[in-house]
Amino acid sequence: AQTVTQSQPEMSVQEAETVTLSCTYDTSENNYYLFWYKQPPSRQMILVIRQEAYKQQNATENRFSVNFQKAAKSFSLKISDSQLGDTAMYFCAFGDPQGGSEKLVFGKGTKLTVNP
Amino acid sequence: EAQVTQNPRYLITVTGKKLTVTCSQNMNHEYMSWYRQDPGLGLRQIYYSMNVEVTDKGDVPEGYKVSRKEKRNFPLILESPSPNQTSLYFCASSPSAGYSNQPQHFGDGTRLSIL
Repeated sequence: AQTVTQSQPEMSVQEAETVTLSCTYDTSENNYYLFWYKQPPSRQMILVIRQEAYKQQNATENRFSVNFQKAAKSFSLKISDSQLGDTAMYFCAFGDPQGGSEKLVFGKGTKLTVNP
Repeated sequence: EAQVTQNPRYLITVTGKKLTVTCSQNMNHEYMSWYRQDPGLGLRQIYYSMNVEVTDKGDVPEGYKVSRKEKRNFPLILESPSPNQTSLYFCASSPSAGYSNQPQHFGDGTRLSIL
């Protein structure tokens, strides 16, 4: 079974600085998807960024980018120019389209606080 | 507007009193799923449905039931709720298996408290 590990329960960063959230996963599959979801205090689950394992190029979405290291099974999220609105829980998730259940396996989350 | 709608958003109830949390999506998605979120545990899948009349267990199905009689609706049923089912629940949907270019869309969550 796949597992996702987020080793940083909490992090903080100053506004306008850069922060990196780590995520590692374990799988024997070769084709899969990885996601970062943001959960602000409103509790919504908001997709931040996604990466297909077969793509070598790291995904980017505006201030958000990932460092995907397939061999190391690592998928970190970098937030540049941090803003107060980035304060949230961040969840890393693994998706296996061949697993049959189509479920997402989530890490336990990292609580990020952006300080003014 | 494309959305996944859950009701109620909040519910406080007592042990043993049957309850249903509704979930409806307006995107004609085939795949729907229920997750529960608990502190320190992230989100865990309860049940999922690949299409109408096709449902299966996720990682934590005990104490829950689901049905998928229509494509748009996927209610979560707690026949005899217990305090250990106090949690934040999310319904999610996606177009079909395999993710393609569309990730799962989540509802806004339902906070259940079982006393």
